Amino acid sequence: GDSVTQMEGPVTLSEEACLTINCTYTATGYPSLFWYVQYPGEGLQLLLKATKADDKGSNKGFEATYRKETTSFHLEKGSVQVSDSAVYFCALSDRSPGTYKYIFGTGTRLKVLA
Amino acid sequence: ETGVTQSPTHLIKTRGQQVTLRCSSQSGHNTVSWYQQALGQGPQFIFQYYREEENGRGNFPPRFSGLQFPNYSSELNVNALELDDSALYLCASSLGGQGTEKLFFGSGTQLSVL
Repeated sequence: GDSVTQMEGPVTLSEEACLTINCTYTATGYPSLFWYVQYPGEGLQLLLKATKADDKGSNKGFEATYRKETTSFHLEKGSVQVSDSAVYFCALSDRSPGTYKYIFGTGTRLKVLA
Repeated sequence: ETGVTQSPTHLIKTRGQQVTLRCSSQSGHNTVSWYQQALGQGPQFIFQYYREEENGRGNFPPRFSGLQFPNYSSELNVNALELDDSALYLCASSLGGQGTEKLFFGSGTQLSVL
């Protein structure tokens, strides 16, 4: 079945450092890809998405490019802030008829130190 | 901050009991999905309701059941609780039921089964 694999955390960075969180996927169809973020005590929030190959999603300085050839959707940010500390989830949604579920990775905890 | 609200926020039950969790969707959304998030894991899809009908289900036993009401609010019922049911239960609303749209998550109900 479809699956999402993302790098294990925690990832600890200093403020203004570069961030990359790896995400790869396995899917039989043509999924849309997402990054969701979960701040402490809150539900998940959509950070960015891409719906087809070579699309780049971006939001709040974060970017991710849908790479069909490598089945990847890595999350990047050039300069992280303390406020970026959270858990990040990579996810896919299968657009096959009759299948309306999202599949999430296990999450990567990011801690940014001042 | 989303308009999805869940109740209660925390719940403690004993093995064998039954529990009902509630979710109020974001205004205008006709689709509700429920996810189970075990500690340190990503959310796992339980099922989805679109216009009061179940239109997708994950690998959860029949003792997990749900309802969606005409106002698109929803309930998740779990019978014969087991220790492994201890988790954060997340409700997500969306518009369309097609599996590619943005999900709006509530903050979840933390269920502990003793």
